[in-house]
Amino acid sequence: QKEVEQDPGPLSVPEGAIVSLNCTYSNSAFQYFMWYRQYSRKGPELLMYTYSSGNKEDGRFTAQVDKSSKYISLFIRDSQPSDSATYLCAMGRVEYGNKLVFGAGTILRVKS
Amino acid sequence: NAGVTQTPKFQVLKTGQSMTLQCAQDMNHEYMSWYRQDPGMGLRLIHYSVGAGITDQGEVPNGYNVSRSTTEDFPLRLLSAAPSQTSVYFCASKAALTDTQYFGPGTRLTVL
Repeated sequence: QKEVEQDPGPLSVPEGAIVSLNCTYSNSAFQYFMWYRQYSRKGPELLMYTYSSGNKEDGRFTAQVDKSSKYISLFIRDSQPSDSATYLCAMGRVEYGNKLVFGAGTILRVKS
Repeated sequence: NAGVTQTPKFQVLKTGQSMTLQCAQDMNHEYMSWYRQDPGMGLRLIHYSVGAGITDQGEVPNGYNVSRSTTEDFPLRLLSAAPSQTSVYFCASKAALTDTQYFGPGTRLTVL
């Protein structure tokens, strides 16, 4: 079993839709949780990160963490064609520095 | 700032050949990492470094070698290329005591 599971999609939605991207994990020792966005043939870029359970909002993006269920989500409101990308969840432990465990990534396409 | 740069962008090797993937960053970051990205597998950590002269293995280190003689550079060496090493390779860097990893644009490697 992988430490981090992520539905690879692809997910196709119309412009303006609310998008929900999800990851589950098995290692309860993970302390921080990240979402990366990766455009085609580019390197990943950090979108959001959080240390605690609950919601964190940044513009149209909301990251949600439920440590008791080992489940994280990224919500995108009012989705735009420019949001079309692969979204990767990643998790780590403070004492392991920059060693992140990534999900497989979900391909999102927002149709105009 | 150029950020994280990687060369070459593309490379085709024959089985058994060796080569070095270059990575450089101009942000004076202490942490640097190498990942490979394969379909359905997400990003997997190959090797990482927490400073000049210090390196350690990640999740999939076999067949790869690294060294860190300067803060700026972190080359990845393939000792004897195998078809299983066909992948997209990303280098990343991060400042100590921060969470944001900055990724390079990647090197697409094909081993025939």
